[in-house]
Amino acid sequence: NAGVTQTPKFQVLKTGQSMTLQCAQDMNHNSMYWYRQDPGMGLRLIYYSASEGTTDKGEVPNGYNVSRLNKREFSLRLESAAPSQTSVYFCASSDGDYTDTQYFGPGTRLTVL
Amino acid sequence: AQSVTQLDSQVPVFEEAPVELRCNYSSSVSVYLFWYVQYPNQGLQLLLKYLSGSTLVKGINGFEAEFNKSQTSFHLRKPSVHISDTAEYFCAVSTRGGYNKLIFGAGTRLAVHP
Repeated sequence: NAGVTQTPKFQVLKTGQSMTLQCAQDMNHNSMYWYRQDPGMGLRLIYYSASEGTTDKGEVPNGYNVSRLNKREFSLRLESAAPSQTSVYFCASSDGDYTDTQYFGPGTRLTVL
Repeated sequence: AQSVTQLDSQVPVFEEAPVELRCNYSSSVSVYLFWYVQYPNQGLQLLLKYLSGSTLVKGINGFEAEFNKSQTSFHLRKPSVHISDTAEYFCAVSTRGGYNKLIFGAGTRLAVHP
């Protein structure tokens, strides 16, 4: 039982390049989330998926797209990376109720030059 | 809209001393409160949560937190810290009807010194 896995762990991009961050969970959770973590700002929600086939914007969605490929997988795409997207990205999952615990992956550290 | 304020960005403390990490929230509706911990180079994991009932909540690793509705606070405490408690601690809220979207505070870095 691996929980929430993310790939890659580290990535360096040049401005304008694109990439996809992958996330998978094996807990049969309905809901999945993408956050970014920046110093002094805590975690901010980028997008979330309440269930397979649905996605919604969070607090900071600009510059990102997501795909809920199936119940297990939720990917985050940067179409044209910008230095402002340098951050640590976390994927999380939960059953979906507002009282539920969210389970986090180990994170992806992205640097955009 | 909800918001969370963690009053200290960094808290240095000596091993075996008590510690309190402060969290205040703002919301016009009932909230559910969480504390998560992030050890160096890892993802977040749940320490404890308050949903209803007793205002004193016990979590993992000897931590506890008290929900105070009148002061809109949810402070985290531990009577005696260990070096291994060195980590970043995040307070978060969710609300009924707000799906499971958590609003996080900025975090408090706890540094335990020998």
